[in-house]
Amino acid sequence: AQSVAQPEDQVNVAEGNPLTVKCTYSVSGNPYLFWYVQYPNRGLQFLLKYITGDNLVKGSYGFEAEFNKSQTSFHLKKPSALVSDSALYFCAVRDEWRNRDDKIIFGKGTRLHILP
Amino acid sequence: DSGVTQTPKHLITATGQRVTLRCSPRSGDLSVYWYQQSLDQGLQFLIHYYNGEERAKGNILERFSAQQFPDLHSELNLSSLELGDSALYFCASSDRDRGTLHFGNGTRLTVT
Repeated sequence: AQSVAQPEDQVNVAEGNPLTVKCTYSVSGNPYLFWYVQYPNRGLQFLLKYITGDNLVKGSYGFEAEFNKSQTSFHLKKPSALVSDSALYFCAVRDEWRNRDDKIIFGKGTRLHILP
Repeated sequence: DSGVTQTPKHLITATGQRVTLRCSPRSGDLSVYWYQQSLDQGLQFLIHYYNGEERAKGNILERFSAQQFPDLHSELNLSSLELGDSALYFCASSDRDRGTLHFGNGTRLTVT
């Protein structure tokens, strides 16, 4: 069964500093990996995804993520944080070998606080 | 705007009651996923339908059921409601091959 872990409930970063939000996963086959962001009282918004190809994926709002197969990780990064990046971030995984069990599993989320 | 519509936005009901949450997916999307978001449980996968057929089930209680209709809208039925069912319920649709989900704004269910 597939699973996702976000080891940090909360991450605090000073504005202008680089940020990293961690994610590790477990799947049977090859992973499809996603990052989503949720602002208060809203649905989740897609940021970026890894399906295949280059391990460094670029997404919306200056975010990027690095796929590391050996460490089964897909950490979200941004070189310079903005106060407006403060939100709840979710990592998600879909197993390529999904057969009859086609689901997308989310981590518990990491709350990102960017301090002015 | 994601193009996914969920109704109602808010629902307040009493324990033991039954409610129906509705989701209209983005135009052209055949897949509909349902998730439950509560404070301490993150985003829990409930069920996935593709073009009217159930594709995967998660930790969905027997008191909960869902279906996807020929026009591709989906309904999540919650019965014998308990206080612990209070949560945000999200619907998301996708083009199945790539799996990017487009979320509605959710239905906030409060059971009193």
